[in-house]
Parts: sequence; structure tokens; C-alpha cells
Amino acid sequence: AQSVTQPDIHITVSEGASLELRCNYSYGATPYLFWYVQSPGQGLQLLLKYFSGDTLVQGIKGFEAEFKRSQSSFNLRKPSVHWSDAAEYFCAVGAVRGGGADGLTFGKGTHLIIQP
Amino acid sequence: EAGVTQFPSHSVIEKGQTVTLRCDPISGHDNLYWYRRVMGKEIKFLLHFVKESKQDESGMPNNRFLAERTGGTYSTLKVQPAELEDSGVYFCASSQYRVRSPLHFGNGTRLTVT
Repeated sequence: AQSVTQPDIHITVSEGASLELRCNYSYGATPYLFWYVQSPGQGLQLLLKYFSGDTLVQGIKGFEAEFKRSQSSFNLRKPSVHWSDAAEYFCAVGAVRGGGADGLTFGKGTHLIIQP
Repeated sequence: EAGVTQFPSHSVIEKGQTVTLRCDPISGHDNLYWYRRVMGKEIKFLLHFVKESKQDESGMPNNRFLAERTGGTYSTLKVQPAELEDSGVYFCASSQYRVRSPLHFGNGTRLTVT
């Protein structure tokens, strides 16, 4: 069974600083990988996804993530954070069962706090 | 395009009562999913509908939970009778296709069982 680990429960970053949120996954085949963001009172919004091809994927809001198969990682990065980026971020893996993103497995989430 | 809509946004019930959560997916999305997040834990898959059929319900915790999607449009998730451990946020998501389609999530229903 697949699993996702987000080792950081909370991360505090100064506004304008760079950001990296860590995600490690466990899955026996080629994974579909996702990052979602949840702002207070909102649903989960897809930031970016990796299915195949270029291992560096660009997403919305200036985020990017890099798939590293050798490290089973899919870390999320942003060169300069804004106060509006404060939210909870979830990494997820989808099973490749001929059906794509069925039954996503999520990590526990990382709370991002932005300091002025 | 209207997003995924969930109702109610909050529900507070007593142990032993029944609650029904509703999800309206994006129009035309055949795939509908239910997820749940218990406080402090990860978001967990409950089940997946393709149109009106249950494709995968391996995540349903027990037989106190019943999900339906009559006519392949909106879905309901009923908890009967509710227990304290059922408290959490229930998310619904929909997608147009199964292959390489991102999930569109609703804002969730926060259920509190007292």
C-alpha cells in the first residue's frame, strides 16, 4: 500500500524568503503525485501534479515541485513567499491502477506560517 | 463553472443521532469521492463513485456509514448512529475522468459528535 510522509508539521518562513516543503512517498510502481493547499475555511486546491515526463513541474501561485525517484521525494518549493501563502499544504500520491488518481493517499499536512 | 458544493458546512449532533451529508459535484463529473479528516490525522479516502456505481468503498470505516449517489448526480453520506470518533471534516471531490484528472474538492462538512 502506498504512503506519504510530510515530516514537518509546522514551518515558519519570513515573507519574501524561499520555501521548501518536504514530501516522501512509498509506492511500488510509478506514482501520480500531487500537492494541494487548504486555506482556512476553504476546500483543497490543486497546486500542481506529476504524472510523467519532466521531473520539475510548475504549478499555480509560483510553486514548483521536483520528482526525485531515487529519493522517493516530491518536495514543493517557492522562491519568495507571500503572506497569502499561509495555509496548510498536503502532498498526495495516487495509485496507478489504470485509473489514475483513484483513492489518493495524503500526508498529514504541513502548516505554513508566514512571519512579516 | 460552479465548484463542488457540500452541505451543511457544519453539523453538531449528539452521539446516537443520524446525520446526512450532501455533495453536489461539478456538472458532468462522473467520478465522485468522499474523504475524511479526523483532527490531527491525515485526510483518508472513504469511497469512490463512478456515476451511480460504487467503484471502491474500501475506506468506509464500518456499516454505520452509507453512501449513495442515485442517478449519478449528487451524493449523500449518512452516518447512523453517529459515534464520538466520527467527528471530523468530510470532504467531497469530483473529477471528469479517472485517468490524469485532478480532483476538485468542496469546502468540507465539519461534523462534531458530542
